[in-house]
Amino acid sequence: SQTIHQWPATLVQPVGSPLSLECTVEGTSNPNLYWYRQAAGRGLQLLFYSVGIGQISSEVPQNLSASRPQDRQFILSSKKLLLSDSGFYLCAWSEDSLGNGYTFGSGTRLTVV
Amino acid sequence: AQSVSQHNHHVILSEAASLELGCNYSYGGTVNLFWYVQYPGQHLQLLLKYFSGDPLVKGIKGFEAEFIKSKFSFNLRKPSVQWSDTAEYFCAVNPPLRDYKLSFGAGTTVTVRA
Repeated sequence: SQTIHQWPATLVQPVGSPLSLECTVEGTSNPNLYWYRQAAGRGLQLLFYSVGIGQISSEVPQNLSASRPQDRQFILSSKKLLLSDSGFYLCAWSEDSLGNGYTFGSGTRLTVV
Repeated sequence: AQSVSQHNHHVILSEAASLELGCNYSYGGTVNLFWYVQYPGQHLQLLLKYFSGDPLVKGIKGFEAEFIKSKFSFNLRKPSVQWSDTAEYFCAVNPPLRDYKLSFGAGTTVTVRA
């Protein structure tokens, strides 16, 4: 069966420090991969998505970037964090058909101090 | 801007009461529709989905949703809630020409009192 792993679960980082959040999927190949940010009262905002290795689409201009170095690995990064980058970050994967919707990871709570 | 709207931010119910959560979207054309649930401390999980066919779809845990194309709505219902239905519920839409991307509503927090 397919599983999705996301880490770390929580992270406290100082302003100006770099960021790297990792997400991996098991049990499937060539998944579509997504990074969302969840803010209280505002739902989920799509940040990046990828349909293949090295293929990244950015939805919203951010202080963030994403990379997909391997088929089932998706990384969210920042060179210098801002206070406004604090939030709950979710990784998800889907098949091309969206037949089963998205499967979400457990999320990372990022606090920038 | 095109969007997904969930009308209620917080709903409080007693056990055995009926639940209906509203979801409207503003995209034209053919859409795929989803409801997700996030129980306290757990992952987002798919409750149900609509792609085509019977506009009344049934999901897990006794939930159902009705797609009304003319109203651009996909409301979620459950005839009799339980304390364990306390969670946050999200409506999501895969709009036309948006590949596999989902647009989510702001979510509705449902609190069921025993």
